[in-house]
Amino acid sequence: EVQVVESGGGLVQPGGSLRLSCVVSGFTFSDHYMDWFRQAPGKGLEWVGRSRNKAYTFSTEYAASVKGRFTISRDDSKNSLYLQMNSLKTEDTAVYYCAKATNYNTAWYADPWGQGALVTVSS
Amino acid sequence: IQLTQSPSSLSASVGDRVTITCRASQGISSYLAWYQQKPGKVPKLLIYGASTLQSGVPSRFSGSGSGTDFTLTISSLQAEDFATYYCQHLSGYPLTFGGGTKVEIK
Repeated sequence: EVQVVESGGGLVQPGGSLRLSCVVSGFTFSDHYMDWFRQAPGKGLEWVGRSRNKAYTFSTEYAASVKGRFTISRDDSKNSLYLQMNSLKTEDTAVYYCAKATNYNTAWYADPWGQGALVTVSS
Repeated sequence: IQLTQSPSSLSASVGDRVTITCRASQGISSYLAWYQQKPGKVPKLLIYGASTLQSGVPSRFSGSGSGTDFTLTISSLQAEDFATYYCQHLSGYPLTFGGGTKVEIK
């Protein structure tokens, strides 16, 4: 069974940093793309960024709203994906989700998602 | 690429046929997914490739379209289908979602 579990959420002041972790099991981590998404309170879904698989040297893509502030990385030995968030703003307050992505016809679709980690940026 | 969903909300009864549309600001071939999110729950993939049902998803759900215009149809709405539905494109970066369609009980 595929499992995706995020951790590391919490309260942080504006301008601060936080690192989210996502531990996975039930599939070969290095073969899959992985995504981060977020959802601000009462709002819709937003894609945050993506880590490609080993075949693409784990290269990354980011949404414009987080580029230059957030960094996605992996540790295959720990089956773990990370989201390092720096220079946090109040508008980064959201539930952050990690998801496994699976390839279909050259596109990578995110499923399943983890249960989410709440990040609150406030003074 | 912007995705525009309509309607933003709808009220329907159990047994109704429900159709949600998603329009892309430029052609995205069939690189479209539909997600269902129930209150307080994690989004769940329903359809990928615009029309392929994810394993385990009931057959009353169907997707169609290509290019810029897509639809999600629920052929006979069930009580457990009351939720918010999102489309997402996967035709290049950044990936984006539609604004969502909230399906409520009439």
